[in-house]
Amino acid sequence: NAGVMQNPRHLVRRRGQEARLRCSPMKGHSHVYWYRQLPEEGLKFMVYLQKENIIDESGMPKERFSAEFPKEGPSILRIQQVVRGDSAAYFCASSPGTGFGTEAFFGQGTRLTVV
Amino acid sequence: SQQGEEDPQALSIQEGENATMNCSYKTSINNLQWYRQNSGRGLVHLILIRSNEREKHSGRLRVTLDTSKKSSSLLITASRAADTASYFCATGSNQAGTALIFGKGTTLSVSS
Repeated sequence: NAGVMQNPRHLVRRRGQEARLRCSPMKGHSHVYWYRQLPEEGLKFMVYLQKENIIDESGMPKERFSAEFPKEGPSILRIQQVVRGDSAAYFCASSPGTGFGTEAFFGQGTRLTVV
Repeated sequence: SQQGEEDPQALSIQEGENATMNCSYKTSINNLQWYRQNSGRGLVHLILIRSNEREKHSGRLRVTLDTSKKSSSLLITASRAADTASYFCATGSNQAGTALIFGKGTTLSVSS
């Protein structure tokens, strides 16, 4: 059973370009969470999705950021018109149940560098 | 928003010594979890303690939870150089629509 798969592992974008980060949850998991980690800091919650639904996007910036988790395929975190401040590690986690009564399984992250 | 706050921010010890990290949180929780992150890697789940539990052990790890003080501690006994990593506490709820909220972490350095 493969773990949470994120790709790409490293992504370099020029200012103004779009960044697409993909996350395939563990088999059987229907809950996906995206977090952002700035250097030397903890993880900041961004968005929580279930299949085809956004449950909580309270941590998402209001502009340029969007997320989806379609019925088929991976979850996508999309950042439009990237700026240098978007440079960070973006982690995806998945869980099988409702809420967090159990542990979350994390991917290895995507490190986004905006130049 | 940050929920858990770890203390200390950084800890340096010698191999064989014990390492204790503390975590305080603000709101009611269903469970508290500790994670480990090696430099440049993803997070690995270490241990989960539920709000009705006071202490839990897993190998060289011992976690305590005091819900009256809204605090938890992680003890690593007989530390090894391989324990060098950042350690995060995260609080969770079993309410639908909530996500784990992480603290800023404690960076542990174990020298041989």
